Amino acid sequence: DIQMTQSPSSLSASEGDTVTITCRASQSINSHLNWYQQKPGKAPNLLIYAASSLQSGVPSRFSGSGSGTDFTLTISSLQPEDFATYYCQQSESPLITFGQGTRLEIK
Amino acid sequence: EVQLLESGGGLVQSGGSLRLSCAASGFTFASYAVSWVRQAPGKGLEWVASIGSGGTTYYADSVKGRFTISRDNSKNTLYLQMNNLRAEDTAVFYCAKYRTMGATRDFDYWGQGTLATVSS
Repeated sequence: DIQMTQSPSSLSASEGDTVTITCRASQSINSHLNWYQQKPGKAPNLLIYAASSLQSGVPSRFSGSGSGTDFTLTISSLQPEDFATYYCQQSESPLITFGQGTRLEIK
Repeated sequence: EVQLLESGGGLVQSGGSLRLSCAASGFTFASYAVSWVRQAPGKGLEWVASIGSGGTTYYADSVKGRFTISRDNSKNTLYLQMNNLRAEDTAVFYCAKYRTMGATRDFDYWGQGTLATVSS
């Protein structure tokens, strides 16, 4: 199976900051990488698909990049509603795997 | 409006069985692959199983041989039959829909989740 490793596991930032979360795959997944946001008690919400495509309705302060094994999610000008947990997910293999999550907290 | 509504969770003893259901509406259910994803209390997301529009199935190693995913397109419903349950299967189970009719394997809609608790 393809293993996905996110870093950092947690991150503290202030409103207005720009933050970057990294996801690394154990083998090449081309651009088959997706990012989700999850808030406590809620289902995940798709932010970015195919590494860099913004899902409909998602604010443009969210962006993704990367290919092969290394990927990043960048959130610019953090808003209060952005403090949540973020997961990457590979969709190269039908045996889908998620990263362990990155918790973004208010500093 | 796309909706996914899970049901069937509850409390069961170790070794027991549960059948989860996910009622879909607002899209052509038969044309999309769908999956089950679970989340143990305080933990991350774990993909469990997927079923394609044509019925092809895939399972995580942790549930293979114990769980069975199926669909009834006439009822717009996804199922997960869970047998020989273990304490480590305790989780909120979400059903999720693929974003496109192709094998993009990204999930644009999720249900609200149903909690399955396995007591040891």
